[in-house]
Amino acid sequence: GENVEQHPSTLSVQEGDSAVIKCTYSDSASNYFPWYKQELGKRPQLIIDIRSNVGEKKDQRIAVTLNKTAKHFSLHITETQPEDSAVYFCAASPTDKLIFGTGTRLQVFP
Amino acid sequence: KAGVTQTPRYLIKTRGQQVTLSCSPISGHRSVSWYQQTPGQGLQFLFEYFSETQRNKGNFPGRFSGRQFSNSRSEMNVSTLELGDSALYLCASSVTGVGTGELFFGEGSRLTVL
Repeated sequence: GENVEQHPSTLSVQEGDSAVIKCTYSDSASNYFPWYKQELGKRPQLIIDIRSNVGEKKDQRIAVTLNKTAKHFSLHITETQPEDSAVYFCAASPTDKLIFGTGTRLQVFP
Repeated sequence: KAGVTQTPRYLIKTRGQQVTLSCSPISGHRSVSWYQQTPGQGLQFLFEYFSETQRNKGNFPGRFSGRQFSNSRSEMNVSTLELGDSALYLCASSVTGVGTGELFFGEGSRLTVL
């Protein structure tokens, strides 16, 4: 069935370091890949997304890469800051559905 | 512009009861989707409604159902509650629908089943 695997489940980095979160999807029909950030006690918010006709997208300190052949996509955060601490969810969308990964808890230590 | 509003925010039910949750989307958004969030499973897609029609549904039993009204407000119903239904239920609205663009989430309804 449709599945999105996300790794790691927890990630601790020092402020200023980079963080990478990886996801693998199973449904080759998936064509839209958003990333959501959920701070403690708050609602998820979209931070970046990528469509299947694009290999990489950047927005300031965050970037997402997509390898359709391998069905992998990754989130890269550079120069991490304490306010980046949150749970990050990747997702993949086959037709009219959104399948989320199980989340990565990122902790950035000052 | 007002955000997505969910009611009630918290509720406690006992096994076997039923519950109805409500979601008011951002004005102009025709898509409302629902998700179950639990610590172990993350966010799981329940279903999406677009212009009063269910467009797709996730892998949940028939006890989970929903509907959407002409003003785009949506309700989700869970019948014959089980302990495992305890979770945060999030709804999200969007202009064009799940899988096409940004979802705007509500703060959720936290359901506890005793």
